[in-house]
Amino acid sequence: DQQVKQNSPSLSVQEGRISILNCDYTNSMFDYFLWYKKYPAEGPTFLISISSIKDKNEDGRFTVFLNKSAKHLSLHIVPSQPGDSAVYFCAASARVDNFNKFYFGSGTKLNVKP
Amino acid sequence: DADVTQTPRNRITKTGKRIMLECSQTKGHDRMYWYRQDPGLGLRLIYYSFDVKDINKGEISDGYSVSRQAQAKFSLSLESAIPNQTALYFCATGVGHEDTQYFGPGTRLTVL
Repeated sequence: DQQVKQNSPSLSVQEGRISILNCDYTNSMFDYFLWYKKYPAEGPTFLISISSIKDKNEDGRFTVFLNKSAKHLSLHIVPSQPGDSAVYFCAASARVDNFNKFYFGSGTKLNVKP
Repeated sequence: DADVTQTPRNRITKTGKRIMLECSQTKGHDRMYWYRQDPGLGLRLIYYSFDVKDINKGEISDGYSVSRQAQAKFSLSLESAIPNQTALYFCATGVGHEDTQYFGPGTRLTVL
């Protein structure tokens, strides 16, 4: 049973507009959340993270929002650029025995149209 | 040069064959991981290692084994490959409390 779900396999937006990628989780013990970006033939690369003590974290064009009561995470990209076209994975972790065990969603493929 | 490298990048093999996937890192991280990715599923953890003497099973370790030959090297073996092990395999490294992970480019394995 997947503890982290990305229910939209794909998303298409126009260049300059906002992209909103969503992620839901089931485990209330998760206390750290990340987004990774993956281009074809490459491994995922870290994009942005948020701790459960916050509800927002911003880094340039990327903002992650956390709604703990809804167990929902979202990534906003403003403005979207064609180079943002990639697969985005969300991940959540719970600390067990000095180890942050990560659970990944299945990914959302973002296509930013010029 | 890439910080985390994986060899081979692609491999086709037959059922029952022994396969080894290799991972090397130049980041100096103690922690290393092996994940597999299947269509429609997220990355799932196979094995992880905190250092050369510390190896742990992940959520889907059956059918796999690992070897941490040095801090920089972490190999994944399939002793007798089966078709449902066809997947994209990623090695990753990490360090620190928040354990942000750095991934290799992946190995696409096909078992016929």
